[in-house]
Amino acid sequence: AQSVSQHNHHVILSEAASLELGCNYSYGGTVNLFWYVQYPGQHLQLLLKYFSGDPLVKGIKGFEAEFIKSKFSFNLRKPSVQWSDTAEYFCAVRMGAGSYQLTFGKGTKLSVIP
Amino acid sequence: EAGVAQSPRYKIIEKRQSVAFWCNPISGHATLYWYQQILGQGPKLLIQFQNNGVVDDSQLPKDRFSAERLKGVDSTLKIQPAKLEDSAVYLCASSTRGGGQGEDTQYFGPGTRLTVL
Repeated sequence: AQSVSQHNHHVILSEAASLELGCNYSYGGTVNLFWYVQYPGQHLQLLLKYFSGDPLVKGIKGFEAEFIKSKFSFNLRKPSVQWSDTAEYFCAVRMGAGSYQLTFGKGTKLSVIP
Repeated sequence: EAGVAQSPRYKIIEKRQSVAFWCNPISGHATLYWYQQILGQGPKLLIQFQNNGVVDDSQLPKDRFSAERLKGVDSTLKIQPAKLEDSAVYLCASSTRGGGQGEDTQYFGPGTRLTVL
């Protein structure tokens, strides 16, 4: 079955530390890739997205993600986290050129300690 | 630009009762989605509408869940009767086209947190 895996359930970092959250999917065809963020008490917001072209995608608030097709991965990175980045992060994948359905990972909770 | 609106934000009911959720998508968005997000999991698609027609309801428990999107704008999701395992956040999302048609992005509302006792 097509699935999306986020390996880290909870990540705790100190401010200014670098962040990398893993996302892997199980599908060999065309994919569209997304990272959503949910700040405490707020709704899901789009952080960044990849449809085609440059596999290194830049999003809002200094986040970026790299699509590595050979590894079926779309990892999220930020060089220096802030306390305000404390949130839950969801990777989502649309699998198939004609597909409409988003498959979400289980999410990674990030806690940034001041 | 206004986002996706949902109401109510919270609902507590007893099992076997019925409940309804309302969603108003972003203006001009043709496609509307309902998701169920159980605690500790990512959102799971329940049903997708393109204008006022159903595109996919394969994961909707049709014996108790129903949804409609009259006039291709607002939508309601109903559960009747509710079970304990229906406790979750119900998210509504909308997009301009509906996927498979170029760069299509879903935008989410704040959700309705349902607790079934």
